[in-house]
Amino acid sequence: AQSVTQLDSHVSVSEGTPVLLRCNYSSSYSPSLFWYVQHPNKGLQLLLKYTSAATLVKGINGFEAEFKKSETSFHLTKPSAHMSDAAEYFCVVRDILTGGGNKLTFGTGTQLKVEL
Amino acid sequence: DTGVSQDPRHKITKRGQNVTFRCDPISEHNRLYWYRQTLGQGPEFLTYFQNEAQLEKSRLLSDRFSAERPKGSFSTLEIQRTEQGDSAMYLCASSPQDTVYEQYFGPGTRLTVT
Repeated sequence: AQSVTQLDSHVSVSEGTPVLLRCNYSSSYSPSLFWYVQHPNKGLQLLLKYTSAATLVKGINGFEAEFKKSETSFHLTKPSAHMSDAAEYFCVVRDILTGGGNKLTFGTGTQLKVEL
Repeated sequence: DTGVSQDPRHKITKRGQNVTFRCDPISEHNRLYWYRQTLGQGPEFLTYFQNEAQLEKSRLLSDRFSAERPKGSFSTLEIQRTEQGDSAMYLCASSPQDTVYEQYFGPGTRLTVT
């Protein structure tokens, strides 16, 4: 079974400084990986996805992630944090279901705090 | 707002009672998913529908849980004889068949079993 491990449960940064949220994956084949964000009282939103095309993936709100097979990692980065980035971030891997549906397996989440 | 909607947003019930949640997916999305999220954890897959057919069920979905999607549109998730361990956020997501990857999530129903 595929899985993801988020290495930090909490990350705190100052506004305007870089963000790094770490994720390692375990998969016996080339995985499809995602980052989702969850703001309080809002639904989960897709930030970006890797599906075996370019290894550097750009997402919404200035986030990007790099797929590194040699390190089995898919870390999420942003050059400059904004207060509105404060939220919970989930690294996710996909399994294909009967009929072509997609089972998403989530990591345990990283709570990002952005301070002034 | 044409996103995924869930009702109710919050439910408090006593142990042993039955509860039912509703999910309305984005119109014309033929795939619908249910997930459960407990405090401090990521969501966990429960079940999946393609149109009205329930194609996959997680082993997390005990026989006290039942999900339906009778006309391939909205879905209901019922929990019978609730237990305190059922307290969680229940999330619904939908996707169109031609979008391979992205799932659109609703705001969730938070269940508290006392």
